[in-house]
Amino acid sequence: NAGVTQTPKFQVLKTGQSMTLQCAQDMNHNSMYWYRQDPGMGLRLIYYSASEGTTDKGEVPNGYNVSRLNKREFSLRLESAAPSQTSVYFCASSEAVGGGIETQYFGPGTRLTVT
Amino acid sequence: QKEVEQNSGPLSVPEGAIASLNCTYSDRGSQSFFWYRQYSGKSPELIMSIYSNGDKEDGRFTAQLNKASQYVSLLIRDSQPSDSATYLCAVNILIQGAQKLVFGQGTRLTINP
Repeated sequence: NAGVTQTPKFQVLKTGQSMTLQCAQDMNHNSMYWYRQDPGMGLRLIYYSASEGTTDKGEVPNGYNVSRLNKREFSLRLESAAPSQTSVYFCASSEAVGGGIETQYFGPGTRLTVT
Repeated sequence: QKEVEQNSGPLSVPEGAIASLNCTYSDRGSQSFFWYRQYSGKSPELIMSIYSNGDKEDGRFTAQLNKASQYVSLLIRDSQPSDSATYLCAVNILIQGAQKLVFGQGTRLTINP
């Protein structure tokens, strides 16, 4: 039982390049989330998916898109990377439909640098 | 006012002492409260959840919730060097009609041998 997995672990992009961060969970959870973590800022929600087939914006969605491919997988896409998107990205999942009030389990993170 | 606030620290505590971490939140309707521990370079891991006023104990950890004061705390007894980490408080907040889990900025705790 791997829990929440993320790929890649590290990535360096040039400004304007695009990439997709992958996330998968094997806990049969309904809800999945994407966060970014910057020094002194805590975790900020980018997008979430309360259940398969739905996605909603979080606190900082600009510059990102998401796809809930199936119940297990939730991807985050940067269409045109900017230096301000340099951050550590965490994917998380929780059992509840409607999100936010159940324990969330986190993946190991992706460290992204945009030059 | 930030929705969830913590002192960023660093908080330095001698080994064997009690470490006290505090968190305040803005939404009087919040019902779910979580403490996560995050080691440097790692992902957050849940250590405590609390939903009712009062204390909840789990080993060396005690979470305290006071909804009237909108305050939640985490006490770590008999602190060990392995407790050195950043501790994140998370609270469910109603934002634009949906429940969201909002994290504080974290308190960096150092246990000195």
